[in-house]
Amino acid sequence: LAKTTQPISMDSYEGQEVNITCSHNNIATNDYITWYQQFPSQGPRFIIQGYKTKVTNEVASLFIPADRKSSTLSLPRVSLSDTAVYYCLVGDGSARQLTFGSGTQLTVLP
Amino acid sequence: ETGVTQTPRHLVMGMTNKKSLKCEQHLGHNAMYWYKQSAKKPLELMFVYNFKEQTENNSVPSRFSPECPNSSHLFLHLHTLQPEDSALYLCASSQVYQRGGRDGEQFFGPGTRLTVL
Repeated sequence: LAKTTQPISMDSYEGQEVNITCSHNNIATNDYITWYQQFPSQGPRFIIQGYKTKVTNEVASLFIPADRKSSTLSLPRVSLSDTAVYYCLVGDGSARQLTFGSGTQLTVLP
Repeated sequence: ETGVTQTPRHLVMGMTNKKSLKCEQHLGHNAMYWYKQSAKKPLELMFVYNFKEQTENNSVPSRFSPECPNSSHLFLHLHTLQPEDSALYLCASSQVYQRGGRDGEQFFGPGTRLTVL
């Protein structure tokens, strides 16, 4: 399983764009990159998944460079309710191989 | 609502008690999972059931016993637990595609907050 490294914590202000970068230097050819969000005392929630280039949905964008050794989750115009832990996972798409790291604690300030 | 429900939401038990956690998914998925999340620690995958068959047991102590009677229900039977087993226990489900291709993302329940005295 490819190991991921992401910042332990980040602070931002309401209305700003937040970019959280994840490093995964030993990503394999068949691996996908998936991001989850977790609020305190709740289960994680799927945000976005991608393989290469850029993926966008209604809540976030995921930027993946050509070498795929890193990825960046972009949250546009964050609000206080976006305060949560964000996990980056890398795997071959098999849900059985999901390994959650420590994640990034994002705190949005007023 | 994620389509995955867990009961009870909170549970306090003594070390000699026997209790069970219940999980139900209403998404038509064919795989279900138990995770443990201790305070300020990453999620730990405990068990995986794929098409009602247990496919993974990540070195979980025998005082935790899973049961999957059908693809919609998953139980975690608890007995003679230790205080260090106090944690948030999360259930998840997903659609697993046996013939290759990317499996679907996991949908998590709200969790059961377990306290062992």
